[in-house]
Amino acid sequence: TQTVSQSDAHVTVFEGDSVELRCNYSYGGSIYLSWYIQHHGRGLQFLLKYYSGNPVVQGVNGFEAEFSKSDSSFHLRKASVHWSDSAVYFCAAASSGSWQLIFGSGTQLTVMP
Amino acid sequence: DPKIIQKPKYLVAVTGSEKILICEQYLGHNAMYWYRQSAKKPLEFMFSYSYQKLMDNQTASSRFQPQSSKKNHLDLQITALKPDDSATYFCASSQDWGGGAEQFFGPGTRLTVL
Repeated sequence: TQTVSQSDAHVTVFEGDSVELRCNYSYGGSIYLSWYIQHHGRGLQFLLKYYSGNPVVQGVNGFEAEFSKSDSSFHLRKASVHWSDSAVYFCAAASSGSWQLIFGSGTQLTVMP
Repeated sequence: DPKIIQKPKYLVAVTGSEKILICEQYLGHNAMYWYRQSAKKPLEFMFSYSYQKLMDNQTASSRFQPQSSKKNHLDLQITALKPDDSATYFCASSQDWGGGAEQFFGPGTRLTVL
């Protein structure tokens, strides 16, 4: 069974803090990993993805994520968060050749002023 | 201008009725998808289409039927509605094919079944 898990349902930080949102996957074979952001009442927006090559990938708005095969992880990081980063963040995975994107349960990030 | 249009934004239906959720994308993409998001479950993949052809179906119930009249349209017909169908339904599209492609999401249709 292919799964994506996000262990933290809620993360609260202060503006200017760094943050790491965790994602672990359970997949066999080659996979695509991605992160999406969902602001309240809106559709999801793509942040970044990884398939191969440099395990650290850069995304929009200063986000980056690091792939680790040994840990089966794809954690999202940002060095200095802004209040507008408050949203739900979803990790997603798809097997190479698959038409199905599997999402984790999401992490609600709240940035306090 | 919105690139992916979903209509209606809110929809209330009675148990046993039938509804059609509309999705149109103006991004020139060849692949389109439907997802469902509810309080009980995380975002669930339902269908994927490419060039109006069904590529993957993860919806167990035949009550959910996607309909593609044009390449940039992928509507979702739901029959014999149940309260458990209450959820927000998101349409998405991508330029490249498959689950690894960057997907663009519409604003969603929130369906409530009474």
